[in-house]
Amino acid sequence: LAKTTQPISMDSYEGQEVNITCSHNNIATNDYITWYQQFPSQGPRFIIQGYKTKVTNEVASLFIPADRKSSTLSLPRVSLSDTAVYYCLVAQMIKAAGNKLTFGGGTRVLVKP
Amino acid sequence: GAGVSQSPSNKVTEKGKDVELRCDPISGHTALYWYRQSLGQGLEFLIYFQGNSAPDKSGLPSDRFSAERTGGSVSTLTIQRTQQEDSAVYLCASKDLNTGELFFGEGSRLTVL
Repeated sequence: LAKTTQPISMDSYEGQEVNITCSHNNIATNDYITWYQQFPSQGPRFIIQGYKTKVTNEVASLFIPADRKSSTLSLPRVSLSDTAVYYCLVAQMIKAAGNKLTFGGGTRVLVKP
Repeated sequence: GAGVSQSPSNKVTEKGKDVELRCDPISGHTALYWYRQSLGQGLEFLIYFQGNSAPDKSGLPSDRFSAERTGGSVSTLTIQRTQQEDSAVYLCASKDLNTGELFFGEGSRLTVL
């Protein structure tokens, strides 16, 4: 399983773009990169998933360089409600049932007014 | 047809007592995970079930912890002779094998006095 490293915390202000980079130097060919968001007193929820290049959805963008040894989650124009912990997960995901999914420590993002 | 359901949402028990935590995964999801999250910490993998395969118990912290999954659906996590350090939120997740997405329940908050 690819080990991930993320910053422990980041502060931002409303309306700014927040970029969180996750390092995963030993990512395997079959591994996907997935980000989850966790609000206090709730379970994590899926934000975005990608394999290479760039993926964008209504919530965020995910940038993955060609070597795939890192990835960056980009949250555009954050609001106070984006204050949460963000987890990067690297593992075989699609149709891969037999895998233990280990989360890293996550990045605690605080959005200030 | 809702999401992952966990019960109880809160449990307060005395040291030395046994507790059972229940997880109802999303119907059709054959993969089920248990995680533990201590206050302010990340997600600690406990155990993983996939269909009829033997579960991956490598994350269980001691032999006081056990889990079962009956009929490939509902799972129960049992903690025997609870200790104060067992106090945490216990999160269950089921996985959509087609997309790889994990769906988490809201967790069971365990407090051992």
